[in-house]
Amino acid sequence: GDSVTQMEGPVTLSEEAFLTINCTYTATGYPSLFWYVQYPGEGLQLLLKATKADDKGSNKGFEATYRKETTSFHLEKGSVQVSDSAVYFCALRAGKLSFGAGTTVTVRA
Amino acid sequence: DVKVTQSSRYLVKRTGEKVFLECVQDMDHENMFWYRQDPGLGLRLIYFSYDVKMKEKGDIPEGYSVSREKKERFSLILESASTNQTSMYLCASGGAGGWTDTQYFGPGTRLTVL
Repeated sequence: GDSVTQMEGPVTLSEEAFLTINCTYTATGYPSLFWYVQYPGEGLQLLLKATKADDKGSNKGFEATYRKETTSFHLEKGSVQVSDSAVYFCALRAGKLSFGAGTTVTVRA
Repeated sequence: DVKVTQSSRYLVKRTGEKVFLECVQDMDHENMFWYRQDPGLGLRLIYFSYDVKMKEKGDIPEGYSVSREKKERFSLILESASTNQTSMYLCASGGAGGWTDTQYFGPGTRLTVL
């Protein structure tokens, strides 16, 4: 079935460091891909999405490119802030929405 | 902005109790969802509803039921709570595109079953 695998955390970084969270997927057909973020004490929010191959989603300085050849949708940010500390979920939609396990990111000042 | 609210942020219940978790959305969305979130497992779909009085099982419906009597409200029911149902429960809603639409999440209810 459809599934998402994302890198395990936790990830701890210093402010202004570069962040990458790897995400790969398995799906039949051409799913849409998402990154959701969950800040402490809150529900999930959509961070960015891409609906077809080679699309790049971007928001709040985060980017992810839909790579069909490598079945990947890695999340990147060039310079993280303390306020980026959160749990990040990769997800795909091919029919229902399927989530990865989540990656906890902590950014230290 | 879309707003999805859940009746409680924290709930503590005893084994065997009947538990109701309520979710309300204010965007007139057709679709509503209940997930549970557990460390290392991500979100798993319990039930969803695409219309009033309609419901579909998700991936882990055992031990749960749902009710959707009004469009804006979707309730999750634990008929007889068990300790393995201790979890974070997240409600979400989405528009008429169903799975093609972005889902909007509530803040979650952290349920502890003793």
